[in-house]
Amino acid sequence: EIVLTQSPGTLSLSPGERATLSCRASETIRNNYLAWYQQKPGQAPRLLIYGSSSRATGIPDRFSGSGSGTDFTLTIDRLEPEDFAVYYCQPYGSSRTFGQGTKVEIK
Amino acid sequence: EVQLLASGGGLVQPGGSLRLTCTASGFAFRNFAMSWVRQAPGKGLEWISAIIGSGGDTYYADSVKGRFTISRDNSKDTLSLQMDSLRADDTAIYYCPKGSETSRPYYFDYWGLGTLVTVSS
Repeated sequence: EIVLTQSPGTLSLSPGERATLSCRASETIRNNYLAWYQQKPGQAPRLLIYGSSSRATGIPDRFSGSGSGTDFTLTIDRLEPEDFAVYYCQPYGSSRTFGQGTKVEIK
Repeated sequence: EVQLLASGGGLVQPGGSLRLTCTASGFAFRNFAMSWVRQAPGKGLEWISAIIGSGGDTYYADSVKGRFTISRDNSKDTLSLQMDSLRADDTAIYYCPKGSETSRPYYFDYWGLGTLVTVSS
């Protein structure tokens, strides 16, 4: 089973700043089968990114994903108030285990 | 519009059973894999079970294997999770996200509101 480690655990930023979230896998994720999800308090998760870098339908272009192999990054340019949430990464090939999440909070 | 509504949660005693149902609409249900993902209070997401579009193959996390059974009725667009031998650490919100394909590999492209299961005496 692939183990995902997300860092940092919490990111304290101000609106308008850039957020950089890391997701590191214990072994290579084949074919970049890595997704990112956003979850706001009291809501279900929402798909942001799949295939490491493809934005899901309706996701603003300030969200971008990158990476391959074992190291992946979610970048949020110019944080909007609605972007403060918890973000999870997940491989979806041979493993489905989620990372432990990164909370992006208002500084 | 894709809609996924999980139901059947509630309070159950340790060792008891509960059956969750997920009612889907807005897409060709039989063509997509479905999963159950849970979230304990204040914790992260945990994938626990999946079933391919045809229902022919099922998968379980070690934490629920042998206690939970996933199934689907493609004639009624419903997904189910039979949960037996429940334990306190099964307490969580249970979601039924839709897979992006009929079988692996797939990501979860739609999530609906979950249902809360509380295991306590």
